[in-house]
Amino acid sequence: EVQLVESGGGLVQPGGSLKLSCAASGFTFSATGMHWVRQASGKGLDWVGRIRSKTNNYATAYAASLKGRFTISRDDSKSTAYLQLSSLKTEDTAVYYCLFSGSRGEIYWGQGTPVTVSS
Amino acid sequence: DIVMTQTPLSSPVTLGQPASISCRSSQSLVHSDGNTYLSWLQQRPGQPPRLLIYKISNRFSGVPDRFSGSGAGTDFTLKISRVEAEDVGVYYCVQATQFPWTFGQGTKVEIK
Repeated sequence: EVQLVESGGGLVQPGGSLKLSCAASGFTFSATGMHWVRQASGKGLDWVGRIRSKTNNYATAYAASLKGRFTISRDDSKSTAYLQLSSLKTEDTAVYYCLFSGSRGEIYWGQGTPVTVSS
Repeated sequence: DIVMTQTPLSSPVTLGQPASISCRSSQSLVHSDGNTYLSWLQQRPGQPPRLLIYKISNRFSGVPDRFSGSGAGTDFTLKISRVEAEDVGVYYCVQATQFPWTFGQGTKVEIK
């Protein structure tokens, strides 16, 4: 069974940093590109970024609006993807989800981890 | 980026009656591999999104057969044949054909 479990969310002050984790199981993590999406309360879904597999040189890409404040990484030995959030703003307050596209084109989601940026 | 436009944004429906949601993309979603990576998600209140349909019309595991997807190219539709109380929530279309993935604004389905 495919599972994605996000963790690491919490309350952080503006300008602060936070590192989110996404622990994966039930599929070949090392061969799979991983994405992060976020959702502010009562709002829609916004793509944050993605990291490709080792075969694709762990290439990363991010939403232009983030302007280099977020970094995605992965540890294939732990089947875990990470999202490093830096220089956080109040508008980064959201639930952050990790997800991937399976071999048939289906999309698997985690349960999400909430991040609140507030003083 | 591909823009995904959903209509309507709100859909009050009577229990047992059908519902339909449209999703239009600003570009064709046909991938170079011949597949069309258009999916539909359901988000119940307080829950994470849940995959209903992938590649236009394929129901995901455990999804009731009252949900169906259709369309091609740039125009897609999600239909609920007979709305049940548990179908209340927000429905999103999402394209994964072209990078970056993009989502529709969401359509809120509620019971009249």
